[in-house]
Amino acid sequence: DTGVSQDPRHKITKRGQNVTFRCDPISEHNRLYWYRQTLGQGPEFLTYFQNEAQLEKSRLLSDRFSAERPKGSFSTLEIQRTEQGDSAMYLCASSYYTNTEAFFGQGTRLTVV
Amino acid sequence: AQTVTQSQPEMSVQEAETVTLSCTYDTSESDYYLFWYKQPPSRQMILVIRQEAYKQQNATENRFSVNFQKAAKSFSLKISDSQLGDAAMYFCAYRSAPELFGQGTRLTINP
Repeated sequence: DTGVSQDPRHKITKRGQNVTFRCDPISEHNRLYWYRQTLGQGPEFLTYFQNEAQLEKSRLLSDRFSAERPKGSFSTLEIQRTEQGDSAMYLCASSYYTNTEAFFGQGTRLTVV
Repeated sequence: AQTVTQSQPEMSVQEAETVTLSCTYDTSESDYYLFWYKQPPSRQMILVIRQEAYKQQNATENRFSVNFQKAAKSFSLKISDSQLGDAAMYFCAYRSAPELFGQGTRLTINP
């Protein structure tokens, strides 16, 4: 297993367009997290899954954001009608249980122009 | 609601010296986990050390150790014999579910 992988690594999109990111967690991990990180700040929680169930979604998360994890494997994060304020690094992480280390992917850097 | 605060936006240390990064948190829970993560420039975040709240003994991983004060809700990271490769952003994190991160401390190592 090569760890958590995210695709694409970079995405430039025009304002108003929809974008989708993919995260492939470590195969035996049942928890998957999505975070957003802006320059010089800590990761900000967006949502997380346990297997295929989305257990929590940040109240800060706009309705334009949606995430799925079909069959409890990979996950996708979609942002509809992108805005310039959506420009950030989107991080995915996975862990086996609550008390174990979260492994992070390298992130997808989104730039909305 | 839980909060995590890192009050030192930037720290610097001479190579081979010791540096301590501060972190405080707030929670009403009694059982939780605390982590320090390292994020080198343009690279992915990796775990440095973790501490279970029910353990009184401070965690240690080679040159990295923590000072966990549960009553004071303090969780500082000490880096001994600092090396150039230690330069990075360091994030303190509280794990209930999901993980809550502090604002980060940028550590610079001076040769």
